[in-house]
Amino acid sequence: GAGVSQSPSNKVTEKGKDVELRCDPISGHTALYWYRQSLGQGLEFLIYFQGNSAPDKSGLPSDRFSAERTGGSVSTLTIQRTQQEDSAVYLCASSLEKGRNQPQHFGDGTRLSIL
Amino acid sequence: GESVGLHLPTLSVQEGDNSIINCAYSNSASDYFIWYKQESGKGPQFIIDIRSNMDKRQGQRVTVLLNKTVKHLSLQIAATQPGDSAVYFCAENRNTGGFKTIFGAGTRLFVKA
Repeated sequence: GAGVSQSPSNKVTEKGKDVELRCDPISGHTALYWYRQSLGQGLEFLIYFQGNSAPDKSGLPSDRFSAERTGGSVSTLTIQRTQQEDSAVYLCASSLEKGRNQPQHFGDGTRLSIL
Repeated sequence: GESVGLHLPTLSVQEGDNSIINCAYSNSASDYFIWYKQESGKGPQFIIDIRSNMDKRQGQRVTVLLNKTVKHLSLQIAATQPGDSAVYFCAENRNTGGFKTIFGAGTRLFVKA
């Protein structure tokens, strides 16, 4: 079946611009996660959605970062007034249910480059 | 602080040999562990998982061992192939005091032909 889909795969933009990154999770998966991965580094947790519960935003690095999940499916990560340090790969993952020991299934990410 | 880390940042093995990738975790409340493989330009891919009530689990060419006494996790890859070259991450799920997944820093595996 279809996996997690992210778009765009690459995004180059100028410092100060806003960007929107999209994630389509696996159908039926109620949990959705956003991570950031800098070159050669591990995964940095950003935000987590589970069903209709309030999202866990504890990983968002600043108020320039926000995310929405509409209808319990598609999610959008928005970065406002981008800075060069925002350059990274942004990964989205989904799983069947949080807290039930299910593996996360990842998309291939959006590679964001801030000029 | 709490962490999941890896003993070796890089590992180089000969094709056909067995590979062992190690991971240490610091929180005894973690009850579910996962290994992921990440190839260049791709997202992490689930390989194998293990629950804390087990100490060994086998998949196809892979085995995960969990030693809760010393808080150690390992991934063994049998008959390593060039296609196994990637970065491997361990991750732990903690279900007490709020759910959280913590990823290790990753180990890069090089397979020499």
